[in-house]
Amino acid sequence: AQTVTQSQPEMSVQEAETVTLSCTYDTSESDYYLFWYKQPPSRQMILVIRQEAYKQQNATENRFSVNFQKAAKSFSLKISDSQLGDAAMYFCAYTTGANNLFFGTGTRLTVIP
Amino acid sequence: DAGVTQSPTHLIKTRGQQVTLRCSPISGHKSVSWYQQVLGQGPQFIFQYYEKEERGRGNFPDRFSARQFPNYSSELNVNALLLGDSALYLCASSLWTGRPYEQYFGPGTRLTVT
Repeated sequence: AQTVTQSQPEMSVQEAETVTLSCTYDTSESDYYLFWYKQPPSRQMILVIRQEAYKQQNATENRFSVNFQKAAKSFSLKISDSQLGDAAMYFCAYTTGANNLFFGTGTRLTVIP
Repeated sequence: DAGVTQSPTHLIKTRGQQVTLRCSPISGHKSVSWYQQVLGQGPQFIFQYYEKEERGRGNFPDRFSARQFPNYSSELNVNALLLGDSALYLCASSLWTGRPYEQYFGPGTRLTVT
């Protein structure tokens, strides 16, 4: 069974600093996709970044980047130059070609002014 | 373009009642998925529909059912409500190409069962 584990229930970061959120997953599949979603207090889930397992290069989207370690089944999210608007719940998610997402339990990120 | 819309925003029901939640996908998206998010947890997959056919089902009891209409909107029905059904119900739409493209989520329906 696929599982996604986020071991940090809460994290905090000073504004303009860098923070890394951790995620590990368990799968026997070789072809899969990983995502980080952000859920602000307004509830709307927003895609932050995605990574295809077959790609060795780590994905980057502006201030957001991932460290994808396929052998270790690790998929961490790095947020650089943190902004107040980054405060939210962050969910790591996994899927294969079936298109349904398996989510972790989330990490609540607080940004300190 | 409008994003994924869901109705109602909030709903309060009594144990044993039935509820219907509605979702309209982004224009051009033919796949709709439903997720249940219990407070303090990540969303859990309930159903996926594409072209009016069920393409995936999560580990939920038969009290949960869904359907998709010709305009690709969708309804989620839950019968014989239990207290444990209290949750945020999220709908997500996506393009379907057989590959897991990004799912776009709606704002959710908050269901409270008393």
